[in-house]
Amino acid sequence: GAVVSQHPSRVICKSGTSVKIECRSLDFQATTMFWYRQFPKQSLMLMATSNEGSKATYEQGVEKDKFLINHASLTLSTLTVTSAHPEDSSFYICSASRAGGVTGELFFGEGSRLTVL
Amino acid sequence: AQTVTQSQPEMSVQEAETVTLSCTYDTSESDYYLFWYKQPPSRQMILVIRQEAYKQQNATENRFSVNFQKAAKSFSLKISDSQLGDAAMYFCAYRSANRDDKIIFGKGTRLHILP
Repeated sequence: GAVVSQHPSRVICKSGTSVKIECRSLDFQATTMFWYRQFPKQSLMLMATSNEGSKATYEQGVEKDKFLINHASLTLSTLTVTSAHPEDSSFYICSASRAGGVTGELFFGEGSRLTVL
Repeated sequence: AQTVTQSQPEMSVQEAETVTLSCTYDTSESDYYLFWYKQPPSRQMILVIRQEAYKQQNATENRFSVNFQKAAKSFSLKISDSQLGDAAMYFCAYRSANRDDKIIFGKGTRLHILP
């Protein structure tokens, strides 16, 4: 099966610092990756869609200067939370669409829990 | 815009019994996918079952089956012989068949399994 690895799984940082979260497709090429944010007991909220080699498309209300997304290769996308503040604390999940896939399925990473002190 | 609605925030079922989770969606597209994802306490998203809109036959995966009513835009999940390991948050999801489109999730239903 297709595996998506997300790292780190947990990160604690001080307010004002930046944090980078990586999302890798381990055994397939991902033309598109998606970043979600999930608050406790709530659904997944799409933050942005990233395509390899092009700028990410952000959902309405998501600050693109706060949440920098880079999709440098067909197997790696990164989310950088810049100048993090306590309100950025959340669970972040990435998912990937397999290049040439026909099932419509997205494959999810394990998620990253960010805590900003 | 497409929407997915899950009207049951929480449900409980006795172990070994059957439970049905409801989901409705709205779209003007004719070609799309529907999914049920499970999110256990680990928070890893696990695909339970998927359905292509062009297929009339309801998808089945072991104890999990769906009732797909395309005209009514309904996509319910039936879990038979419920097990303790089925306790989780269940999300109904929609994805356009347009290439690389995003998945839209419902708000989820938390399923409790009573021993």
